[in-house]
Amino acid sequence: DSGVTQTPKHLITATGQRVTLRCSPRSGDLSVYWYQQSLDQGLQFLIQYYNGEERAKGNILERFSAQQFPDLHSELNLSSLELGDSALYFCASSEAMNTEAFFGQGTRLTVV
Amino acid sequence: AQSVTQLGSHVSVSEGALVLLRCNYSSSVPPYLFWYVQYPNQGLQLLLKYTSAATLVKGINGFEAEFKKSETSFHLTKPSAHMSDAAEYFCAVSETGSARQLTFGSGTQLTVLP
Repeated sequence: DSGVTQTPKHLITATGQRVTLRCSPRSGDLSVYWYQQSLDQGLQFLIQYYNGEERAKGNILERFSAQQFPDLHSELNLSSLELGDSALYFCASSEAMNTEAFFGQGTRLTVV
Repeated sequence: AQSVTQLGSHVSVSEGALVLLRCNYSSSVPPYLFWYVQYPNQGLQLLLKYTSAATLVKGINGFEAEFKKSETSFHLTKPSAHMSDAAEYFCAVSETGSARQLTFGSGTQLTVLP
């Protein structure tokens, strides 16, 4: 158990809908990262937050957004969902900006 | 720009045999290199990481990897495979050591045959 908690574990939704994925980082970790794992794109970095502020953006679509709250949990919002958004979404957390990150078990999103 | 190539999307070994998973990287600066393992329905677990302290890095579960700059490689090995090693393995590179700039390889699925 990495100490990073993601909910829900599985999510099935229809095209065009909006979903929110939640991540609770390890106790004391200030940095949260979101990754997408899909069959065609592999593992890709989406976005990073550090102590509530956005710090880096990767290959994140404009339909996707994220935030980190004062209690340091983070949410990834995915809207206008398409079939191609079906993937495993991972959250990771680290103590500081350049320290080792620990990954959660992921949320498997299926868009039908 | 950084990139990772994992040779062989599927590797099968017999229990007790040597495990060798190949990873080659490209980086414009001295890289940080990582191996992660993903068991079915699980998240990514860090096996080991190279941060320039020593070229031979020992990780968890008996795995180790050797950084070879001349070959731009960071292959993962284990002397004797165990059934519990069956999983998917990802090599990753970062130019800063930060998870925000981790570039992952496409993964190698390891099957261990009895």
